[in-house]
Amino acid sequence: AQSVTQPDIHITVSEGASLELRCNYSYGATPYLFWYVQSPGQGLQLLLKYFSGDTLVQGIKGFEAEFKRSQSSFNLRKPSVHWSDAAEYFCAVGLIRANAGGTSYGKLTFGQGTILTVHP
Amino acid sequence: NAGVTQTPKFQVLKTGQSMTLQCAQDMNHNSMYWYRQDPGMGLRLIYYSASEGTTDKGEVPNGYNVSRLNKREFSLRLESAAPSQTSVYFCASKRDISGNTIYFGEGSWLTVV
Repeated sequence: AQSVTQPDIHITVSEGASLELRCNYSYGATPYLFWYVQSPGQGLQLLLKYFSGDTLVQGIKGFEAEFKRSQSSFNLRKPSVHWSDAAEYFCAVGLIRANAGGTSYGKLTFGQGTILTVHP
Repeated sequence: NAGVTQTPKFQVLKTGQSMTLQCAQDMNHNSMYWYRQDPGMGLRLIYYSASEGTTDKGEVPNGYNVSRLNKREFSLRLESAAPSQTSVYFCASKRDISGNTIYFGEGSWLTVV
């Protein structure tokens, strides 16, 4: 079964500092990988995704993530954090299947989330 | 293009009451999902519908029922609400082409007292 681990429940950084949020996954093949962000009182927003190709993925809001197959990791990074980045971040791994009708579908398994606090 | 729309956004229920969370997507997606989000637990899958006419249990289906009314709509019903079902509920949808992304609604905050 696929699983996702975000080892850090809560991270605090100063505004302007660099950021790295860790994500490790367990999956039998190359997975589809995602990072989502949820701001307080709001829904989930996709930051970036990896399906194949270049292992360094650029996303919105200045975020990037690197897929490392040898380490089963997909860590999220940002060179300089802004106060508005304070939120909860979720890593997710996707599973794609085909049903009897030939339609493929998927479901995501999420990590537990990492809460980011930004100090001025 | 509204994406995934779920209602209501906020609801307070008494223990034992029933209610239905509605979800609709206008992206012509085949697959739809209901998740709940609890502090420290991340997102957990309640039920999903791979395509119109099919539904399957996820990780935490107990106490819930679903209906895939048509391709657009996927509702989640709590027949007899319990305080343990206090949570934030997210509906989501996904196309049926390999490598697609899942899209979420804004969430429904449900409190059972």
